[in-house]
Amino acid sequence: DAKTTQPTSMDCAEGRAANLPCNHSTISGNEYVYWYRQIHSQGPQYIIHGLKNNETNEMASLIITEDRKSSTLILPHATLRDTAVYYCIAMEYGNKLVFGAGTILRVKS
Amino acid sequence: GAVVSQHPSRVICKSGTSVKIECRSLDFQATTMFWYRQFPKQSLMLMATSNEGSKATYEQGVEKDKFLINHASLTLSTLTVTSAHPEDSSFYICSASRGLIGNQPQHFGDGTRLSIL
Repeated sequence: DAKTTQPTSMDCAEGRAANLPCNHSTISGNEYVYWYRQIHSQGPQYIIHGLKNNETNEMASLIITEDRKSSTLILPHATLRDTAVYYCIAMEYGNKLVFGAGTILRVKS
Repeated sequence: GAVVSQHPSRVICKSGTSVKIECRSLDFQATTMFWYRQFPKQSLMLMATSNEGSKATYEQGVEKDKFLINHASLTLSTLTVTSAHPEDSSFYICSASRGLIGNQPQHFGDGTRLSIL
């Protein structure tokens, strides 16, 4: 599975959109981009995933570039409860999720 | 949404005892379950993959005789830490997947914090 690169940490003002980037320049055609987050002392929470097209659900939007080498997770109106570690994982469906260091998102009032 | 329940949420026990952790998928049948371990300020590390009705597949460096995994039904997998020692103290997390059906992500339990005295 392709390696992903994420910024170590980011800050976002409460109520504003949080845009979390992820680089996956070696991604293959069969690999999906998955996003999970982990709030302190809890198990990871699934957010969204996609292959080629942009995706949106009740939690977030996932924007994947046309060449699929990078993507951005968008939390449209960040709240304090969105403070967490966000993991971007490129994985061929059915394979194992391998977690990197992720991005620590701090939402501030 | 999919719910994965893990029990117990926290356990404290003496060195040398064995501890069993349960992972249940509450609203779907999980053909595959995964067990992870997380040390403080570190990311999750996959320990093993279990498929219902077959032996678990362990990641390199994980002792299969130390960490016994049983996946006897489509809704339950258990991890038993045998003869636990202080270095086994960690946050253990399971996840469940419907398997290769459609396009379904893994869903995680809330973890078990294991402290060995």
